[in-house]
Amino acid sequence: KNQVEQSPQSLIILEGKNCTLQCNYTVSPFSNLRWYKQDTGRGPVSLTIMTFSENTKSNGRYTATLDADTKQSSLHITASQLSDSASYICVVSLNAGNMLTFGGGTRLMVKP
Amino acid sequence: DVKVTQSSRYLVKRTGEKVFLECVQDMDHENMFWYRQDPGLGLRLIYFSYDVKMKEKGDIPEGYSVSREKKERFSLILESASTNQTSMYLCASNRGRDTGELFFGEGSRLTVL
Repeated sequence: KNQVEQSPQSLIILEGKNCTLQCNYTVSPFSNLRWYKQDTGRGPVSLTIMTFSENTKSNGRYTATLDADTKQSSLHITASQLSDSASYICVVSLNAGNMLTFGGGTRLMVKP
Repeated sequence: DVKVTQSSRYLVKRTGEKVFLECVQDMDHENMFWYRQDPGLGLRLIYFSYDVKMKEKGDIPEGYSVSREKKERFSLILESASTNQTSMYLCASNRGRDTGELFFGEGSRLTVL
């Protein structure tokens, strides 16, 4: 069964600190992996996409990594800001059409 | 900017009522989706559509139906709302047959009493 597991479920950090969110998947055949950010009461917005051949990709203070061998991805947030408080959702695509498997998300709270 | 607009941000309905959730996108996307989002369960696909008049069941279609009469509009219908359909409903769209970026609406929070 295709699954995407995210950890931790929730995380509280102080403003300015770094953090890393994890995503493990069993989806096969793999096409790509996206990280979405969902602010409270809003729809998710794509942060970054990782394809099979990519190991790391940055989007400002967000850096995503992918290890296709171990089927793991991480999202590293550097110098966190209060606006980073949100849920972060890992979404893995099958290598066919629009078949997506969603992780349960990590709820991040950044405190001043 | 891509805009996906959901007609109602918050709705409160009674058990047995018929509920319509409307979604409109302005980017000429072929694909449209309806998800529900519940704490601890993540996003689950209810229905999706690749083209006008076309619809396909997702993972949890029971108790729901959809309508896509125009390319830009995708409606989710709850024929007889039940309390277990209390949830956040998210509409999304994207282009083409490949797994491109999903563009989400702001969500509709439905409470069924």
